[in-house]
This record gives sequence, structure tokens and C-alpha cells, in this order.
Amino acid sequence: EDQVTQSPEALRLQEGESSSLNCSYTVSGLRGLFWYRQDPGKGPEFLFTLYSAGEEKEKERLKATLTKKESFLHITAPKPEDSATYLCAVQDGQNFVFGPGTRLSVLP
Amino acid sequence: NAGVTQTPKFQVLKTGQSMTLQCAQDMNHEYMSWYRQDPGMGLRLIHYSVGAGITDQGEVPNGYNVSRSTTEDFPLRLLSAAPSQTSVYFCASSPRQGNGYTFGSGTRLTVV
Repeated sequence: EDQVTQSPEALRLQEGESSSLNCSYTVSGLRGLFWYRQDPGKGPEFLFTLYSAGEEKEKERLKATLTKKESFLHITAPKPEDSATYLCAVQDGQNFVFGPGTRLSVLP
Repeated sequence: NAGVTQTPKFQVLKTGQSMTLQCAQDMNHEYMSWYRQDPGMGLRLIHYSVGAGITDQGEVPNGYNVSRSTTEDFPLRLLSAAPSQTSVYFCASSPRQGNGYTFGSGTRLTVV
């Protein structure tokens, strides 16, 4: 059975304090790993897709990396506007499974 | 560009009532899907469609029906609402399955 877990469940950072979020997955055949950002009361917003181990994608202060069993979302020098819940999801064939998310708070 | 539009934003139903959640996209996306989001459980796929006239079940399809008569619209029907269907429902679309989704803003449904 496909599984996606995310850690930590919640993370509180000071502005400028870099850190990483983890997404671990168990799938039989990974076709893609996706990162989304979700603000309270809104739908998820697409950030990145990673397809193979070793791949990296960057967008502003965010960088996503992928290994055979996990993905990391690195946040460099975060700002308060980066506060949100970050979701990862994996695609295995027709199946698309989301993790529960990491709730990030960046304090000024 | 409106993107993905969901209506209504909020709805309260009594147990046993039926209703339709509306979803429309103006990006000419072939792939559309419905998810429900519950605290601590992540988004779970209810139904999806890879194109007009084609639909299939996701992880949690029981109690829900869908149809896709046009590329733009993908309504979700609750046949006989139950308290277990209290959730936030999101519609999403993408050019094809496997691309990043564009999500709507959600419908918060409460069944009493």
C-alpha cells in the first residue's frame, strides 16, 4: 500500500532561520513527487514536481530534493510570508497519495 | 483567468439530503479530480476524470457520484448526506494526469 508521511508535523522558525521539511514515501513505482503550499482557508498551490532520484528544483527561498525514499523541502532564510502548510504527494500509476502536511510558522 | 471555480463555498446539509458541488475550470485541462480534506488525514481522492465522458473512482468514492459531460465542468453529487461526509472538498485540474494540479478554493460542507 502506498504511504506518504511528513515530518515534523509542525515547525516554528525565526525569520532568517533556515530548515528542512521531510517527506518519506513508500510506493511500488514512483511516477512523480509533488510539493504544494496551502494557506488557511485556501486550496493547495503547486510548487514543484520531481521525477527521479537526484533531481532538484528551486523557487525563491525554496529548494526541493529527491532520493529513492524521501524528499526534502529546504527553506533558506525564511520570511513570515512563508508561513503555510506544506504538502507533498506521490503518484504511483493511477494512484495519487498526499501526505498530512507540515505546518510552518515563521516568526518576525 | 478564473482558474478553478468551486461553488458553494459553505454548505450545511441535514442527514439524508442530497446536493451537488459545482466545479468549473477555464484552462482547457483534460484531467479533473475531487478530493476531500480532513484534519490529520491529508487529501484523499474521491473521483477523477481524464477527459469528457470518462470518470473513475479514487480512494474514497462511496456516497459520491460524478459525471463529465464537458471539458470545463466536473460536478460532485452527494446522494444521501451523512455526518461522515462533513469535510472540506477541493476540485483540482491539470493538463493531464501527472502534472501539478490547480486547485479551487474549496467547499466547506457540514452534515448535521
